[in-house]
Amino acid sequence: DAGVIQSPRHEVTEMGQEVTLRCKPISGHDYLFWYRQTMMRGLELLIYFNNNVPIDDSGMPEDRFSAKMPNASFSTLKIQPSEPRDSAVYFCASSFREFGTDTKYFGPGTRLTVL
Amino acid sequence: GQNIDQPTEMTATEGAIVQINCTYQTSGFNGLFWYQQHAGEAPTFLSYNVLDGLEEKGRFSSFLSRSKGYSYLLLKELQMKDSASYLCAVRLYNNNDMRFGAGTRLTVKP
Repeated sequence: DAGVIQSPRHEVTEMGQEVTLRCKPISGHDYLFWYRQTMMRGLELLIYFNNNVPIDDSGMPEDRFSAKMPNASFSTLKIQPSEPRDSAVYFCASSFREFGTDTKYFGPGTRLTVL
Repeated sequence: GQNIDQPTEMTATEGAIVQINCTYQTSGFNGLFWYQQHAGEAPTFLSYNVLDGLEEKGRFSSFLSRSKGYSYLLLKELQMKDSASYLCAVRLYNNNDMRFGAGTRLTVKP
């Protein structure tokens, strides 16, 4: 299996622009998570989906952030408009079961820089 | 709130043993995870504890004491490639509600 795939790996944009991050989870996994990692705040959960349905978006910073999962193999995280404080590494992760020892598998991340 | 505390940085010598501690105060507990993260890469799963005691997996071991809200990751026979950040994460209720510590950056020196 190729693992969790994210694109782009690096994104540099200017304040006010729209940014779209993409994720392909591991085939067969029914949970998908979006995390953000910064030096100041560490790894934070933004939103997660179960069977393509958003379950908890309480970690989404504000209305500028939105996430979709149109099918089991694809999800997007959109920031519009972007701001410098959104600069971070954004990780997508997937897992199979809710309970038990099944762990999350993280993608390589997208390093976002907003100038 | 949820508090998960780890030392920010540690340094150790190749071939030695190092212990990375994690203390937590959370509203729920359903397991503790350790992840390894090399610079510029994604976190990868190392270990999982849900009951008190020691879990050993090769050179790595993880210990949990639920009554003390305490865990440690023990790395033996350190290798240069072990230089990385080690993240402690507490699963509060289910696999979807996990809180991560800020991570401990370990540097292994020759």
